[in-house]
Amino acid sequence: DAEITQSPRHKITETGRQVTLACHQTWNHNNMFWYRQDLGHGLRLIHYSYGVQDTNKGEVSDGYSVSRSNTEDLPLTLESAASSQTSVYFCASSESGAGEAFFGQGTRLTVV
Amino acid sequence: QQQVKQSPQSLIVQKGGISIINCAYENTAFDYFPWYQQFPGKGPALLIAIRPDVSEKKEGRFTISFNKSAKQFSLHIMDSQPGDSATYFCAAKFQGAQKLVFGQGTRLTINP
Repeated sequence: DAEITQSPRHKITETGRQVTLACHQTWNHNNMFWYRQDLGHGLRLIHYSYGVQDTNKGEVSDGYSVSRSNTEDLPLTLESAASSQTSVYFCASSESGAGEAFFGQGTRLTVV
Repeated sequence: QQQVKQSPQSLIVQKGGISIINCAYENTAFDYFPWYQQFPGKGPALLIAIRPDVSEKKEGRFTISFNKSAKQFSLHIMDSQPGDSATYFCAAKFQGAQKLVFGQGTRLTINP
């Protein structure tokens, strides 16, 4: 079955370190997204990609970057982790024109 | 600014009752309105969705009511069950785009 997987599921890192969260999908979807989930804010879009070599900033992109070198993967990098980036991160993918997004299980990141 | 506003933040309903969650939006460029259900430790999953050319969509115990003129839509869960206890997110998609914007989420608890 096609799926979308995130790794790691949990991570603790120190302030100032660079961190990369992995997202891999086997749906062969062109569209991939990174969201963060915080209480009271719902899901906020960090970055998204509509295809290989395409990346776009979302509403809360400061301090984050992504790159898309193939269809399956969209890694999210925190350049210099800050305590404000402690959150649960979700990766999602969708087929163009279909609307529905499929989400991974999430990565709980704690910055200490 | 929050493009989709969701209420209430939390809701407690007795088993067998009707759960109602409301969302409002401002941007008339949205063309797809999904509801996502999220259980603890899991990613959100599509529950039901509607497009603005219809006023209601029903799937089993779940119904979306859509009021285009008021720019509001709501999720109704009939005969609510303890297994419906979860966090619910409304969302909206821009016409011609693939990214979703989400409401703040509603934590629903169904008491047995």
